[in-house]
Amino acid sequence: QQQVKQSPQSLIVQKGGISIINCAYENTAFDYFPWYQQFPGKGPALLIAIRPDVSEKKEGRFTISFNKSAKQFSLHIMDSQPGDSATYFCAARVVGTYKYIFGTGTRLKVLA
Amino acid sequence: DAGITQSPRHKVTETGTPVTLRCHQTENHRYMYWYRQDPGHGLRLIHYSYGVKDTDKGEVSDGYSVSRSKTEDFLLTLESATSSQTSVYFCAISEGQGALNTFGSGTRLTVV
Repeated sequence: QQQVKQSPQSLIVQKGGISIINCAYENTAFDYFPWYQQFPGKGPALLIAIRPDVSEKKEGRFTISFNKSAKQFSLHIMDSQPGDSATYFCAARVVGTYKYIFGTGTRLKVLA
Repeated sequence: DAGITQSPRHKVTETGTPVTLRCHQTENHRYMYWYRQDPGHGLRLIHYSYGVKDTDKGEVSDGYSVSRSKTEDFLLTLESATSSQTSVYFCAISEGQGALNTFGSGTRLTVV
């Protein structure tokens, strides 16, 4: 079964701290790895994405790192702000298709 | 969300009745998706479409059917609704290149 495992389920960080969310996959080949941010009552919004031939990508305070051999990828939010409080999802595109499999989500709370 | 509209936004229906959810896009994107979101499960792909009349099953397709007779419309039908189909349903669209980039605002479906 195609699966992407995401951790932690929830995360509390102080303002100005670093938030780290991890995802891993096992047997399925994936070729694109986007991250999404979702606020209550809204649909997910694309944050940042990475291809497996790149080990790191940075956009503002958001950085994705990718470890192809370990089949792991993670999202780092630097200088976390209360406005970053949301649910974050990792996702992966199944190679040869346009199917996207999502992780189970991480609820982030940034304390002021 | 700009370019994509889901209807209805909320629906309560009885067990055993058929239900159709509609997704309408104005972006002329080739790919359209239906996901359901449930606590602890994240977003799970039900069906997706890669063109008019071209669809494929996702992770949780049992009990659901889809149709796409026009580029702009993707319909999700629950043939005979069950309580386990109570969920928030999201439609999403993608050009194909890059990540799945736009989600609708969701339809909250309650089956009683």
